[in-house]
Amino acid sequence: AQTVTQSQPEMSVQEAETVTLSCTYDTSESDYYLFWYKQPPSRQMILVIRQEAYKQQNATENRFSVNFQKAAKSFSLKISDSQLGDAAMYFCAYRSLYSGGGADGLTFGKGTHLIIQP
Amino acid sequence: NAGVMQNPRHLVRRRGQEARLRCSPMKGHSHVYWYRQLPEEGLKFMVYLQKENIIDESGMPKERFSAEFPKEGPSILRIQQVVRGDSAAYFCASSQNGQGFTDTQYFGPGTRLTVL
Repeated sequence: AQTVTQSQPEMSVQEAETVTLSCTYDTSESDYYLFWYKQPPSRQMILVIRQEAYKQQNATENRFSVNFQKAAKSFSLKISDSQLGDAAMYFCAYRSLYSGGGADGLTFGKGTHLIIQP
Repeated sequence: NAGVMQNPRHLVRRRGQEARLRCSPMKGHSHVYWYRQLPEEGLKFMVYLQKENIIDESGMPKERFSAEFPKEGPSILRIQQVVRGDSAAYFCASSQNGQGFTDTQYFGPGTRLTVL
């Protein structure tokens, strides 16, 4: 079974600065998907960015980018020019290409609480 | 284009009662997933359904929990004889397909279940 580890329970950053949230995962599969979701105080889960494992190019969405290191099984999220609205819980998630036995669902880490200091 | 809809947003039940949580997927999506989030935890996969079919229920507790996604209407997660340990946020997600890059799951706002 796959596992996802987020080793930073909480991170704090000054507004307008850059912050990196770490995520590592364990899998024996060679191809899979990785995601970052944001959960603000409203508790709605919002997709931030996604990455296919076979793509070597790191995904980017505006101020959000990832550093995907497949050999190291690392998938960190970088937020540039942090804004107050970025304050939320951030969850890293893994999805297998296979089906059944729980593989259809996302496997989530425990999350990192991001605080933005004004 | 409406997103994933869940209702109720908050549900309070006494021990032993039944809880019914509803989820309407995004327009054009035929795959539904249910997750449970305990306090201070990430989401845990429970069940994956397509219309009229349960595809993967490996994350569902063996007793008291059931799910369905009928041909017409929303998906329902049903918890019978609730206990305090069932108190959690329950999220529904939907996707367009079951495989491929378009399989990104989009989440509803969740239902917070409180068992007294």
